[in-house]
Amino acid sequence: EAGVAQSPRYKIIEKRQSVAFWCNPISGHATLYWYQQILGQGPKLLIQFQNNGVVDDSQLPKDRFSAERLKGVDSTLKIQPAKLEDSAVYLCASSSRWTSGRYEQYFGPGTRLTVT
Amino acid sequence: GQQLNQSPQSMFIQEGEDVSMNCTSSSIFNTWLWYKQEPGEGPVLLIALYKAGELTSNGRLTAQFGITRKDSFLNISASIPSDVGIYFCAGQLEEYGNKLVFGAGTILRVKS
Repeated sequence: EAGVAQSPRYKIIEKRQSVAFWCNPISGHATLYWYQQILGQGPKLLIQFQNNGVVDDSQLPKDRFSAERLKGVDSTLKIQPAKLEDSAVYLCASSSRWTSGRYEQYFGPGTRLTVT
Repeated sequence: GQQLNQSPQSMFIQEGEDVSMNCTSSSIFNTWLWYKQEPGEGPVLLIALYKAGELTSNGRLTAQFGITRKDSFLNISASIPSDVGIYFCAGQLEEYGNKLVFGAGTILRVKS
């Protein structure tokens, strides 16, 4: 079974520029998550989708970050304009509901963003 | 907000030694998960725990879900060089949409 795919793997931009990240979850996984991982910290949830609807975006800086999952499969996360403090690894994860009611999240390799 | 305190922050051990790390929280969780992250990769799920008191093994790894539902530990027996990485605990609560709250990680280095 193919894992979560993300691209690009690395991106370097100047502050005030815009950037977009793409994620393709594990086939059949209805739930998709975007996390931000700052160096030396654990991942922090930015936004959670259930199919193409947003479940939780309480920690998404909505003045500059946006995300969509139009057809309930792939997702994009955009930052516009970027700030220096946005330098981080952006992780995508997906999960599905097991018959037991349990969820397990599987992560992609991440996109490392450097803002200069 | 919910926070997880993970300790130790880092460990530098001799190959063959056993390792123990733990995670505590002021909040109750329904699920505890342990992930390992290697450089340039996303976290990989090692063990998932679903019931208070549950003890689960995965090869040389053993993890337990604390009785109070506010803590968990991970043990690695007979460490080998490929155990190197960052180990994260994460708590999950169904009432919060199964959102994961992560600890800050334990960096493990192994001397061979």
